[in-house]
Amino acid sequence: AQSVTQLDSQVPVFEEAPVELRCNYSSSVSVYLFWYVQYPNQGLQLLLKYLSGSTLVKGINGFEAEFNKSQTSFHLRKPSVHISDTAEYFCAVSSSGGSYIPTFGRGTSLIVHP
Amino acid sequence: DAGITQSPRYKITETGRQVTLMCHQTWSHSYMFWYRQDLGHGLRLIYYSAAADITDKGEVPDGYVVSRSKTENFPLTLESATRSQTSVYFCASKSWQENSPLHFGNGTRLTVT
Repeated sequence: AQSVTQLDSQVPVFEEAPVELRCNYSSSVSVYLFWYVQYPNQGLQLLLKYLSGSTLVKGINGFEAEFNKSQTSFHLRKPSVHISDTAEYFCAVSSSGGSYIPTFGRGTSLIVHP
Repeated sequence: DAGITQSPRYKITETGRQVTLMCHQTWSHSYMFWYRQDLGHGLRLIYYSAAADITDKGEVPDGYVVSRSKTENFPLTLESATRSQTSVYFCASKSWQENSPLHFGNGTRLTVT
């Protein structure tokens, strides 16, 4: 079985400050990891993904995430946030060779203040 | 344009009525999913489908019915709507490759009065 924990339900931050959204997963096999972003009144869209290879992956809008196998984490970071980054962020995991159904975390609401 | 389209975007219905939410994708993706999103619960999987005529229950299937006669369509029916089914519903699709991401529609906001 696989699971995802997003440790913070809400993260407030000031504009131009750095941010980290935390995600921990559990799985007994190799994993694929994803971050999705949901802007108000919209569906989720893919921000970035880790499939294999380099543990540092870059996504859209200046976001990046680092896969840490020993700590079973996939934290999302941005060095300087904008007001427009205010959104809900979801971490998701799929397991290699297993079910094709991804497991989602409960989401982290990023609130960027001017 | 390729994509995944949900209709309607907003729907208000009364308790006990049947309502169908539509989902159409143009990628010919094998897999399709229905989720509901509620405050405090995140995304919960209702039903999913691996191919036409193959569907299976997710985490919260009670009160819902799905069908998939064509690859591109995956309608979700609430046979007798209840207030607890007031939610935002998202349809998603993905290709057959196990590491492919989900592609989501823009959602249907359903209110049951």
